[in-house]
Amino acid sequence: ETGVTQSPTHLIKTRGQQVTLRCSSQSGHNTVSWYQQALGQGPQFIFQYYREEENGRGNFPPRFSGLQFPNYSSELNVNALELDDSALYLCASSPGGERRGYTFGSGTRLTVV
Amino acid sequence: AQRVTQPEKLLSVFKGAPVELKCNYSYSGSPELFWYVQYSRQRLQLLLRHISRESIKGFTADLNKGETSFHLKKPFAQEEDSAMYYCALGAGSYQLTFGKGTKLSVIP
Repeated sequence: ETGVTQSPTHLIKTRGQQVTLRCSSQSGHNTVSWYQQALGQGPQFIFQYYREEENGRGNFPPRFSGLQFPNYSSELNVNALELDDSALYLCASSPGGERRGYTFGSGTRLTVV
Repeated sequence: AQRVTQPEKLLSVFKGAPVELKCNYSYSGSPELFWYVQYSRQRLQLLLRHISRESIKGFTADLNKGETSFHLKKPFAQEEDSAMYYCALGAGSYQLTFGKGTKLSVIP
């Protein structure tokens, strides 16, 4: 059974640029959620995808968008990067939209300069 | 709005001493509460959830709706318990609202 994998592990972007982060969900999981974890903070919910549709969104602006593919993998896209977007981005997958079964990935560390 | 408060950023205890990590929540409905743990260089993982009423690695947590608390307890701390602990609230939709976390350091 494979876990949740995220890529890349680290990246550095310049303010104003766009970035795409990727997540492969755990086998058998059809729901993917994304979280942002700033330094010294707990993870903060960005949005969730279930069967390729966004079915929940946190308090993040529209420049944060996502996709889920038929194989349940997912992308998080952030446009017009700001310095405050620097954070660890976590992907979590679960079966059938069930948050109780969350499995987290190791995260992507994004630094915006 | 949902909110989770973990009042201690850092908690240091001696090996063998009791541990209590505090968590208070704010939510008007019926909450689901979780504890997640992150060991050094490992990913975030579920430790326990209130609906299971289980004990994992000697840790227990009881939901107290009157005090809106879900404190994590262990009678005798071990060195391998040193980690970052996050309390999380599930409410409404599928997302979790996390606290800022408490770093537990067990002193040998």
